[in-house]
Amino acid sequence: QKEVEQNSGPLSVPEGAIASLNCTYSDRGSQSFFWYRQYSGKSPELIMSIYSNGDKEDGRFTAQLNKASQYVSLLIRDSQPSDSATYLCAVRTNFVFGPGTRLSVLP
Amino acid sequence: NAGVMQNPRHLVRRRGQEARLRCSPMKGHSHVYWYRQLPEEGLKFMVYLQKENIIDESGMPKERFSAEFPKEGPSILRIQQVVRGDSAAYFCASSPGEWGQGYEQYFGPGTRLTVT
Repeated sequence: QKEVEQNSGPLSVPEGAIASLNCTYSDRGSQSFFWYRQYSGKSPELIMSIYSNGDKEDGRFTAQLNKASQYVSLLIRDSQPSDSATYLCAVRTNFVFGPGTRLSVLP
Repeated sequence: NAGVMQNPRHLVRRRGQEARLRCSPMKGHSHVYWYRQLPEEGLKFMVYLQKENIIDESGMPKERFSAEFPKEGPSILRIQQVVRGDSAAYFCASSPGEWGQGYEQYFGPGTRLTVT
């Protein structure tokens, strides 16, 4: 089992919709989780970190963590074409990044 | 506040040459991380350093690769006798404290290494 798994996508949503990105991890002891956005040819850019079970909101972004089920998700409300990118889920344990989910927001 | 700086941004080397990649962390950051990203693949951790110390090199290939973060100056990732398979984007990230212990890491723009 891979340490961090994400749907590779592409995930296509219409402009203004909610985009839902999911990530599962294998190490039950993991404590720190991060979402990064990476545009093609660019470096990863931190969107959010989450350490506790529940939701964490920052603008149009909401991260959700469920340690019992070992998943972390990212919701993007009012999706914009500029949100089109690859979203990387990262787990601090062993510095593991997921393979990324490619999101395409259609105008 | 300047971000993480990496140079060169693009580097071309012939097989067998050495590649030196430099990373200057953000001001106030003493923790540096190196990652490699092959085309169309995910980020792979290579090494985690603090000033003058290698903390975790579990992702570093055993041969040809080395890293340092001296007391003064940038962190250096060195690849000796490069092969075509080393062609990738190499990203450096930094944090003010250990990543995940309440601290977040921020990435530099990367160095694109091409081995011909």
